[in-house]
Amino acid sequence: ETGVTQTPRHLVMGMTNKKSLKCEQHLGHNAMYWYKQSAKKPLELMFVYSLEERVENNSVPSRFSPECPNSSHLFLHLHTLQPEDSALYLCASSQDKLDRRFYEQYFGPGTRLTVT
Amino acid sequence: GNSVTQMEGPVTLSEEAFLTINCTYTATGYPSLFWYVQYPGEGLQLLLKATKADDKGSNKGFEATYRKETTSFHLEKGSVQVSDSAVYFCALSEEVNYGGATNKLIFGTGTLLAVQP
Repeated sequence: ETGVTQTPRHLVMGMTNKKSLKCEQHLGHNAMYWYKQSAKKPLELMFVYSLEERVENNSVPSRFSPECPNSSHLFLHLHTLQPEDSALYLCASSQDKLDRRFYEQYFGPGTRLTVT
Repeated sequence: GNSVTQMEGPVTLSEEAFLTINCTYTATGYPSLFWYVQYPGEGLQLLLKATKADDKGSNKGFEATYRKETTSFHLEKGSVQVSDSAVYFCALSEEVNYGGATNKLIFGTGTLLAVQP
């Protein structure tokens, strides 16, 4: 059971396709995150959104384009991907608090992306 | 910058064995520390956390103590079960530098635990 959902769960796309990943959180949080998890690398933070504003972009190639239309939804638009972009893409959310003792991130189940 | 180092896996244990997964960190300030667990085919779930020195986080029989003097947050369980087989991630919190109150997590590489019947 999770308050963060991701669709689709699996996606196969060619290098010339355009697709989008969707994340929705039902927890009333105000910050959202995209992570990339691949077999040979540790969990990589891609983007951070706070109150629908992008506040961190960790040198992610422009073929990945995030969008956060409101605090409950986060998208990752994909175009002209490379085979090395095949990975599990995880979305997470949190509630920003000045008292960091209460800070936690909640993750969705991920989208398994295969680029052919 | 801040970082987390975990012991490399896989860790293979028999059911009812004692588990320790080592985690050490490098950080400025006083981050919160977390253990997350990822079961096959799923996302990450928060297992436990500790927010200040000497705090002990615990959940589902797992424990970890925030040790500032050794900058460690080792995960332990007294008797593992086959259902504990998963990847375990140690993480610390860090502020995002943009003038607001958002944090992010810095993760270790993960440790695969395989428990055999």
